[in-house]
Amino acid sequence: GESVGLHLPTLSVQEGDNSIINCAYSNSASDYFIWYKQESGKGPQFIIDIRSNMDKRQGQRVTVLLNKTVKHLSLQIAATQPGDSAVYFCAEPSAAGGTSYGKLTFGQGTILTVHP
Amino acid sequence: KAGVTQTPRYLIKTRGQQVTLSCSPISGHRSVSWYQQTPGQGLQFLFEYFSETQRNKGNFPGRFSGRQFSNSRSEMNVSTLELGDSALYLCASSANPGQVYEQYFGPGTRLTVT
Repeated sequence: GESVGLHLPTLSVQEGDNSIINCAYSNSASDYFIWYKQESGKGPQFIIDIRSNMDKRQGQRVTVLLNKTVKHLSLQIAATQPGDSAVYFCAEPSAAGGTSYGKLTFGQGTILTVHP
Repeated sequence: KAGVTQTPRYLIKTRGQQVTLSCSPISGHRSVSWYQQTPGQGLQFLFEYFSETQRNKGNFPGRFSGRQFSNSRSEMNVSTLELGDSALYLCASSANPGQVYEQYFGPGTRLTVT
């Protein structure tokens, strides 16, 4: 049958604006989250991470906010540039039996387009 | 330091054939994970290897298999290809298992099944 593609959320901003990309998670026991950026033709690239004992973490032009009450993450990009145009994913690692695995569960992604 | 390399970058196969994809991790990295990326399902975990052993496997049929060599290089194989196997296959490496915060992705192999 016909496959239905994911309808990725899109965000279109002007160069210099601030961008906010959102992500919801379902597992209240999740304790670590990562944001990735994927440019066309490339694999995902690590941007920033946050542990559940933090509400906020800042990097270079990026800030991640974690709201554990509503199980929500956001990635804020300051002074967005055309080079920030990409798909952004939140992800969390899976662990079983107390052992960490290199398995990431990704969100659906958000397409960010920055107009000059 | 060279990044994760994947070969080939593009591949076209027909239904029923099999395919082998290769991944060379970053030098010194011993853990390799594979992901499938499609428009319909997004990014999905396939399997993880460390020290030539499969540590974790995603929810994929047995047609998908992989292995890791003593030099940490990894291959994945898909047998009896189906149209739905068309995807970008991504490999990621890290120094040790579970170190997803230091997991680096390769550019992927774009597989098209006709």
